Amino acid sequence: EDKVVQSPLSLVVHEGDTVTLNCSYEVTNFRSLLWYKQEKKAPTFLFMLTSSGIEKKSGRLSSILDKKELFSILNITATQTGDSAVYLCAVGDSWGKLQFGAGTQVVVTP
Amino acid sequence: GAVVSQHPSRVICKSGTSVKIECRSLDFQATTMFWYRQFPKQSLMLMATSNEGSKATYEQGVEKDKFLINHASLTLSTLTVTSAHPEDSSFYICSASPGQGASYGYTFGSGTRLTVV
Repeated sequence: EDKVVQSPLSLVVHEGDTVTLNCSYEVTNFRSLLWYKQEKKAPTFLFMLTSSGIEKKSGRLSSILDKKELFSILNITATQTGDSAVYLCAVGDSWGKLQFGAGTQVVVTP
Repeated sequence: GAVVSQHPSRVICKSGTSVKIECRSLDFQATTMFWYRQFPKQSLMLMATSNEGSKATYEQGVEKDKFLINHASLTLSTLTVTSAHPEDSSFYICSASPGQGASYGYTFGSGTRLTVV
C-alpha cells in the first residue's frame, strides 16, 4: 500500500530558530515529491523535487530529495511568525495525481 | 502558466440540496483534473480523477452517485455534491494536469468551502 509519512506532526519554535521537516514515502509510479504550505486556504506550492541530491532553495526555505532512501526534508532557517502554517508533503505520479502526507503543523512564536 | 480557477469559493446550502463546484484551467488544456477533499485538521484526500470525455475514476470509499463529476471539455470539470448532508461539509479543491509527463500538473484551484446546514 502506498504511503507518505510526515514527521513531526507538529512543532513549536521561537522566531529565528531553524526547523527541519521530514517526509518519507513508499509509492509505486513515483515521479516527483512536492512541498506545499497551507494557511487556512488552498495549499501554496513551494518545491517540486524529481532528482536525488539536488537542493532547491527559495529564500529561507530549502529542500532535498533522496530517492534511494525514499525521503525528503524541508528546511526553514531564521523562522518568522509568518512561517506558521501546515506544511504538506505529496508524492506525484506522471499524471499529476498526488498522495499527501498528514502534514506538519509549525507554530513560530515571537 | 498553469492557472486553475475554482468557483464558488464558499457555499452554504441546506441539507438535501445539491451543490455544483466548477474547476477551470485558464491557460492550458487539462486532459485530467483531480478532486480532493479536506476535513478540518486533516490532510487532502483524493476523491476522484476526472478525464476529459470519459467517466471519472473514484477512490475507494467515495460514492460516485453522490459526487457526480463531469469533464465535458478540456478546460472545465464540475463536481456536484448531490443530496448534501452536514457530514459532507468540507473543503473541496481541484487540481488540473495537461497530461502525462506534465511538469506543472500540480496546480490547485483556490478551493471551495462547503457548509451544509
